[in-house]
Amino acid sequence: GAGVSQSPSNKVTEKGKDVELRCDPISGHTALYWYRQSLGQGLEFLIYFQGNSAPDKSGLPSDRFSAERTGGSVSTLTIQRTQQEDSAVYLCASTPGQGAQGYTFGSGTRLTVV
Amino acid sequence: AQSVTQPDIHITVSEGASLELRCNYSYGATPYLFWYVQSPGQGLQLLLKYFSGDTLVQGIKGFEAEFKRSQSSFNLRKPSVHWSDAAEYFCAVGVRGGNKLTFGTGTQLKVEL
Repeated sequence: GAGVSQSPSNKVTEKGKDVELRCDPISGHTALYWYRQSLGQGLEFLIYFQGNSAPDKSGLPSDRFSAERTGGSVSTLTIQRTQQEDSAVYLCASTPGQGAQGYTFGSGTRLTVV
Repeated sequence: AQSVTQPDIHITVSEGASLELRCNYSYGATPYLFWYVQSPGQGLQLLLKYFSGDTLVQGIKGFEAEFKRSQSSFNLRKPSVHWSDAAEYFCAVGVRGGNKLTFGTGTQLKVEL
């Protein structure tokens, strides 16, 4: 697609429920990143994909968080047994090559856990 | 590991005034440096980037930034601010051969009419 697409744009869920957040990167971009932006905070790195593999998942805050990428394209970030501290904006970005040369971001998914 | 500091959490300027947003980084070699802008409810948009060469970098929307190795800084500037520049600004650093960017905590810019 023309840009990085994320869905849903907003998600309200009850504490303890599982949620899935989707990211559709720019076509042909091999690298995909997930970041979390909490209120008043900067961007916290979660996980990086190169193709379908995740060489760096060091930012996932707990084993409740997981992510996968299929076909070198769409990625899904799953949060199990959501907690109120998971409330944040989850941003996805993609790049054609090395991420250190700059990202194109999606508009994010605002997750609210009530 | 690299890190980024944006010392100013909030800045307020009058429309038409000049702007400078500060960014300091910590990294042993010359990094890649970026400024992004985030409008409410939006993702981050790249304003400009520095990889090498000329230390004064021009970006979109009339912004520029200057890489100063001696001060480990990459401050963002604009000569005359417009009300539409009100947004949050993030500085980020990447390392050569690396795969991810490290972001500062952001500076919220308010523009008074």
